[in-house]
Amino acid sequence: DAGITQSPRHKVTETGTPVTLRCHQTENHRYMYWYRQDPGHGLRLIHYSYGVKDTDKGEVSDGYSVSRSKTEDFLLTLESATSSQTSVYFCAISDPGNNSPLHFGNGTRLTVT
Amino acid sequence: QKEVEQNSGPLSVPEGAIASLNCTYSDRGSQSFFWYRQYSGKSPELIMSIYSNGDQEDGRFTAQLNKASQYVSLLIRDSQPSDSATYLCAVNTETSGSARQLTFGSGTQLTVLP
Repeated sequence: DAGITQSPRHKVTETGTPVTLRCHQTENHRYMYWYRQDPGHGLRLIHYSYGVKDTDKGEVSDGYSVSRSKTEDFLLTLESATSSQTSVYFCAISDPGNNSPLHFGNGTRLTVT
Repeated sequence: QKEVEQNSGPLSVPEGAIASLNCTYSDRGSQSFFWYRQYSGKSPELIMSIYSNGDQEDGRFTAQLNKASQYVSLLIRDSQPSDSATYLCAVNTETSGSARQLTFGSGTQLTVLP
């Protein structure tokens, strides 16, 4: 999957606990993204990064924070997990340029009980 | 709210037939368009990109774009059971000079019947 590794692949956690998902790329792409995918909603953008320490909010950013201290790593943190954050989370990367597509990691299935 | 709409399906076609998947988008400024295939339990995989009006062909896949009608489609010729998947339409909805975003439709589930 284009040199993108997400960890963990599966996680079950309890409501109110913090959770961090990791995305690691070996492609040296500038842009990195976190999406969530839910039935009936498709893929929705949570946060994205356009460089080290440069991040911005997406469509559904409430309850999530991100950090990017190195080009290759993009972390997504659920500060206090809720059941509505049960979802499949995908990391994606792309080169700069309007015509560059996104390439996705294998996803993390998160269940909040 | 910039939107991308797809018929959710499910769409069923017999093996060997042409499958036609459709997508409309609301942002007239969109410049690039993508089709992704997603098998159940897997990540989306890019199969086609199109940037200008007309047709773009790659093997059995043809993407068609009509910017005036804000419409993009995907044709799959000689459909195979292995084409059974959910197909996602994605549209560039860049809103700032520092980054770009893709907005996805909710996907069309395609089943190719042997």
